[in-house]
Amino acid sequence: DAKTTQPPSMDCAEGRAANLPCNHSTISGNEYVYWYRQIHSQGPQYIIHGLKNNETNEMASLIITEDRKSSTLILPHATLRDTAVYYCIVRVNSGGSNYKLTFGKGTLLTVNP
Amino acid sequence: DSGVTQTPKHLITATGQRVTLRCSPRSGDLSVYWYQQSLDQGLQFLIQYYNGEERAKGNILERFSAQQFPDLHSELNLSSLELGDSALYFCASSVAHSNTEAFFGQGTRLTVV
Repeated sequence: DAKTTQPPSMDCAEGRAANLPCNHSTISGNEYVYWYRQIHSQGPQYIIHGLKNNETNEMASLIITEDRKSSTLILPHATLRDTAVYYCIVRVNSGGSNYKLTFGKGTLLTVNP
Repeated sequence: DSGVTQTPKHLITATGQRVTLRCSPRSGDLSVYWYQQSLDQGLQFLIQYYNGEERAKGNILERFSAQQFPDLHSELNLSSLELGDSALYFCASSVAHSNTEAFFGQGTRLTVV
């Protein structure tokens, strides 16, 4: 499985941009990068995913480096409700056209007032 | 609200017992995933079903089994329960087996005493 490395924790001031890094140096050419977050003991929530190009949606932006070995999730204006564990995941083919998401330990983002 | 419904929300049972956790996927989703989250293990993938058929297996114990019914709801059966089975159990669903933009339910918290 392509592994990801994330810092265990980060802090961010409310209203500022939160930039969460992820290293995935063993990623293969056709493997997507997914981001999920989990607010304390709730079900994980899908945020965004990408392959090569940068992506943006209403929640966040995803910046993937040209060599695809790392990516950054950007929350443009963090709020207190963005405090959560953020998971960077490389989608792995588990056989045929089947894929699975393998969660690591993630980054605990704490947004401070 | 992700649209995925899990019941019950909480379950307390004794060691050696058997329980059934239920998951109703989002309307239109054919794929169902089960995950276990304990304090020391993080989110562990257990098993995936697509349109009634098993598609992928993860770290699922032999004491655990699952199925997906014709109406697409799924059940996870846990038997001969041990203290270490105490955890949050999440169900997720997605449209297709290769589409891992999955939506998670709020989980069932199982406590084995």
